[in-house]
Amino acid sequence: ETGVTQSPTHLIKTRGQQVTLRCSSQSGHNTVSWYQQALGQGPQFIFQYYREEENGRGNFPPRFSGLQFPNYSSELNVNALELDDSALYLCASRPQGGRRITEAFFGQGTRLTVV
Amino acid sequence: SQQGEEDPQALSIQEGENATMNCSYKTSINNLQWYRQNSGRGLVHLILIRSNEREKHSGRLRVTLDTSKKSSSLLITASRAADTASYFCATDVDRNTDKLIFGTGTRLQVFP
Repeated sequence: ETGVTQSPTHLIKTRGQQVTLRCSSQSGHNTVSWYQQALGQGPQFIFQYYREEENGRGNFPPRFSGLQFPNYSSELNVNALELDDSALYLCASRPQGGRRITEAFFGQGTRLTVV
Repeated sequence: SQQGEEDPQALSIQEGENATMNCSYKTSINNLQWYRQNSGRGLVHLILIRSNEREKHSGRLRVTLDTSKKSSSLLITASRAADTASYFCATDVDRNTDKLIFGTGTRLQVFP
């Protein structure tokens, strides 16, 4: 157990709908990143939040957005869902501090299926 | 896009044998990390090697890094059935963010 929790674990949505995924970071971690993992692929970086602000983004369209709250929990929102958005969405947190070399602590993920 | 490739894509061995997985990447890195994933669930960190290190050990794990060849290898010695999982390398390339770029993964099956 990494101490990073995600909800829900599974979700089925219809194309065109909107979805919100949630992540609770490990205690003491103020940086959270979100990744999308398609079946049979490695995770791909969506974006990162540090102290409630987005400070890094991967190659994902604006319909992927996020929030980080004062307690460092986070949300990933996806609008206008497409079939290709079906994937495992992973949240990862890292300890606070300056630029440091540490591993990421991942949650168990949310399996999103778009039909 | 993926940073690079992992080789082999799939590996099947018997318990007690060693498993070696290779990872190649494309750009300069700050560090390289290996993660394990069981059955499409969350990733678990195994080991981190910095760009100025060449080899690192952790229990039954041995990681090497060759920055001149932009490659790394993960060796699991005396494998166990419980080692069955997918293994990913991830490169830390951006000093301004915590972005990790993952490889395509190696699926390891260890038969009892």
